[in-house]
Amino acid sequence: ELKVEQNPLFLSMQEGKNYTIYCNYSTTSDRLYWYRQDPGKSLESLFVLLSNGAVKQEGRLMASLDTKARLSTLHITAAVHDLSATYFCAVRGNLIFGKGTKLSVKP
Amino acid sequence: DTEVTQTPKHLVMGMTNKKSLKCEQHMGHRAMYWYKQKAKKPPELMFVYSYEKLSINESVPSRFSPECPNSSLLNLHLHALQPEDSALYLCASSQGNSPKDKLFFGSGTQLSVL
Repeated sequence: ELKVEQNPLFLSMQEGKNYTIYCNYSTTSDRLYWYRQDPGKSLESLFVLLSNGAVKQEGRLMASLDTKARLSTLHITAAVHDLSATYFCAVRGNLIFGKGTKLSVKP
Repeated sequence: DTEVTQTPKHLVMGMTNKKSLKCEQHMGHRAMYWYKQKAKKPPELMFVYSYEKLSINESVPSRFSPECPNSSLLNLHLHALQPEDSALYLCASSQGNSPKDKLFFGSGTQLSVL
């Protein structure tokens, strides 16, 4: 059974500091996705990582994939309040989601 | 048009009611999905339609019945639901089943079963 584990599940960030979210998965997968969800809202696609060593950046967020370690990271640079949300990683074409990481940014 | 439109946005129903959730996209996508999301939990895959054929059913109870009338529409028919079925139901679509295909999610239907 495929398991997708994220940590931490909760992250309280200070503005301007850097943080990393980790996503581990239990079986071979060369596809990994990151989504953002605001409270009461739907899912917004952030990144699609398709190969080992893939790195993608958008604004203050950077995602990377190591298929050998079965690990993806989402790095947050200089956190700002607008980044407060729940972030999910997911694997496989039809998406098996991790439990999500709830981020809150405090001034 | 890059939207997946779901209706209704909110639905309250009794356990004896029959209702339907609707999902529509006009992006020419050939794969469509239903997910269920309980509060503070990740979405869970229910059904996948690929080229208007049901390709995945994740052991969903028969009180949930999907239907894909055409490539742009996906319905979820609900009958004799239980209170524990209360959740956010998300529809998604993608170009196809390629690993490069990004899923686009609708805004969801918040369902309450009384």
